Amino acid sequence: GIQVEQSPPDLILQEGANSTLRCNFSDSVNNLQWFHQNPWGQLINLFYIPSGTKQNGRLSATTVATERYSLLYISSSQTTDSGVYFCAVELDDKIIFGKGTRLHILP
Amino acid sequence: DVKVTQSSRYLVKRTGEKVFLECVQDMDHENMFWYRQDPGLGLRLIYFSYDVKMKEKGDIPEGYSVSREKKERFSLILESASTNQTSMYLCASSFNRPELSSYNSPLHFGNGTRLTVT
Repeated sequence: GIQVEQSPPDLILQEGANSTLRCNFSDSVNNLQWFHQNPWGQLINLFYIPSGTKQNGRLSATTVATERYSLLYISSSQTTDSGVYFCAVELDDKIIFGKGTRLHILP
Repeated sequence: DVKVTQSSRYLVKRTGEKVFLECVQDMDHENMFWYRQDPGLGLRLIYFSYDVKMKEKGDIPEGYSVSREKKERFSLILESASTNQTSMYLCASSFNRPELSSYNSPLHFGNGTRLTVT
């Protein structure tokens, strides 16, 4: 089946720093989404981005479908950005998740 | 706002019990999904459904079944609970978008049910 690899697995940053999270996938996909899971376990959809670039405040995402990767950028990190970030790809009606990047923002 | 409601936040069951996890969404979404989340393994797809009375196996369906009798409700059933089914269970829903190459609109998740089987 399709492989979805996220890197880095863990990231610790000081408040105010910028970060880039990566998602690689092993096959062509119909779609890609980014999610943030907060410390209470709630999963929030950040971006629905099969290709191109989208921005929402301090967050932006870029998907290069032909090269099978997506990047999530977080600028001027805040402690509320802490949690786990997942990418999920859609293929053959299924939505498959990577294992996530755990981000810890220090005050 | 989309609301996906899972019936229990925490659940403790005994080995061998039949367990029902309920999920209800209020946005008339066609698609519904059940995932389980375990440390180091991310989210793994158990079952999904694209229509009433329709179900498809995900990547780890063994030991589970599902029911979708109404569009808004998708139930996950553990036929005989085992300790290796202790996990966080997450329900999600989305619109169906056949006009696009993708079948799904953005996924919306419930708050999760943390199930412990003793």
